[in-house]
Amino acid sequence: DAGVTQSPTHLIKTRGQQVTLRCSPKSGHDTVSWYQQALGQGPQFIFQYYEEEERQRGNFPDRFSGHQFPNYSSELNVNALLLGDSALYLCASSVTGDEQYFGPGTRLTVT
Amino acid sequence: AQSVTQLGSHVSVSEGALVLLRCNYSSSVPPYLFWYVQYPNQGLQLLLKYTTGATLVKGINGFEAEFKKSETSFHLTKPSAHMSDAAEYFCAVRKEYSSASKIIFGSGTRLSIRP
Repeated sequence: DAGVTQSPTHLIKTRGQQVTLRCSPKSGHDTVSWYQQALGQGPQFIFQYYEEEERQRGNFPDRFSGHQFPNYSSELNVNALLLGDSALYLCASSVTGDEQYFGPGTRLTVT
Repeated sequence: AQSVTQLGSHVSVSEGALVLLRCNYSSSVPPYLFWYVQYPNQGLQLLLKYTTGATLVKGINGFEAEFKKSETSFHLTKPSAHMSDAAEYFCAVRKEYSSASKIIFGSGTRLSIRP
């Protein structure tokens, strides 16, 4: 049984560009949450998707958006990239009665 | 508002020694508390969690933590450190019962093990 998978593993972008990160949840999970982990910091909650809709959102600007597909996989989009967006982006999946499982993350570097 | 404070960004112990990683939380409601471990270039792995019931919680890899409401603490311990325990450890809190609710993480403690 595959756990949470994320792609790509690493990504380098230039300021002002746009990026899309992808997440496939653990089998049987229907909820996907995204977190940003800056270097030397703990993860910070960006938003959560359930039934293809954003259900909760953290304190992140509208440049951060997402999507959930009918198969429960999810994308995180970031527009107009800033140097400060460089971080490890973690996806976590869950289902009622089970805890959140985290993927290995996507390391985004903005130059 | 909920928050988590981890005391000590870096802890170093000798192999075989006691590991103690400190965590204090603030929450307006009874919290759900977690410890996660992150190995280099990997995601987060749940070590243990406290929801309700017994205040001493046992987790994987020989770790345990005790919920002390009076001290608002949830410190992580392991009687005897192993080299493989070297990693980043995060204390976290979740306010709501739903396991899907957002988790608030501390800033992490890097654990080093001396041979």
